[in-house]
Amino acid sequence: GAGVSQSPRYKVAKRGQDVALRCDPISGHVSLFWYQQALGQGPEFLTYFQNEAQLDKSGLPSDRFFAERPEGSVSTLKIQRTQQEDSAVYLCASSPPASGGTDTQYFGPGTRLTVL
Amino acid sequence: AQKVTQAQTEISVVEKEDVTLDCVYETRDTTYYLFWYKQPPSGELVFLIRRNSFDEQNEISGRYSWNFQKSTSSFNFTITASQVVDSAVYFCALSDDQGGSEKLVFGKGTKLTVNP
Repeated sequence: GAGVSQSPRYKVAKRGQDVALRCDPISGHVSLFWYQQALGQGPEFLTYFQNEAQLDKSGLPSDRFFAERPEGSVSTLKIQRTQQEDSAVYLCASSPPASGGTDTQYFGPGTRLTVL
Repeated sequence: AQKVTQAQTEISVVEKEDVTLDCVYETRDTTYYLFWYKQPPSGELVFLIRRNSFDEQNEISGRYSWNFQKSTSSFNFTITASQVVDSAVYFCALSDDQGGSEKLVFGKGTKLTVNP
């Protein structure tokens, strides 16, 4: 079946521009996660949804970052007034309804954001 | 606090050699989950294994094997008879479901290069 898809795959923005990154999770997956991966580093958690409810946004680095999942399926990560330090790969992952404990997260290909 | 340490930044081996990637974790919870992911040059994170804290049995899957030792808080990954296609960055990750969030905490990764 289809995996997690993300668009765009690459985004170049000028400093100060707003950007929107889209994630389509695997059909039927309840949980959706966003991570930020800087060059040469491991992914770092940004936020987590269970259906349409945003249960954890403790990883969002500033109030310029905003995520939504209004219908419990597609999610959008929005970054306002982008800064150079926002340059990274943004990864989306989804997981099925947990059968007990943390289920496996399946990752999309990521969106590489470059802020000039 | 949760923490994952992958002390080996880069490893280089010759094809057919065995190689072990180390992972040490920290958590205060008694219930937690450990994962390994592979990130080939294409960039997409590929799930390899999920293990819960109550199952200390070692696991083997083809050329891959995992050694989980709670006494040393380690979850090491061994590739037997390595192949060029094994070249990638490998990440170890931890989730302990603190506060109801299923977020993953990743190590910094180990870059494995298998030379022909």
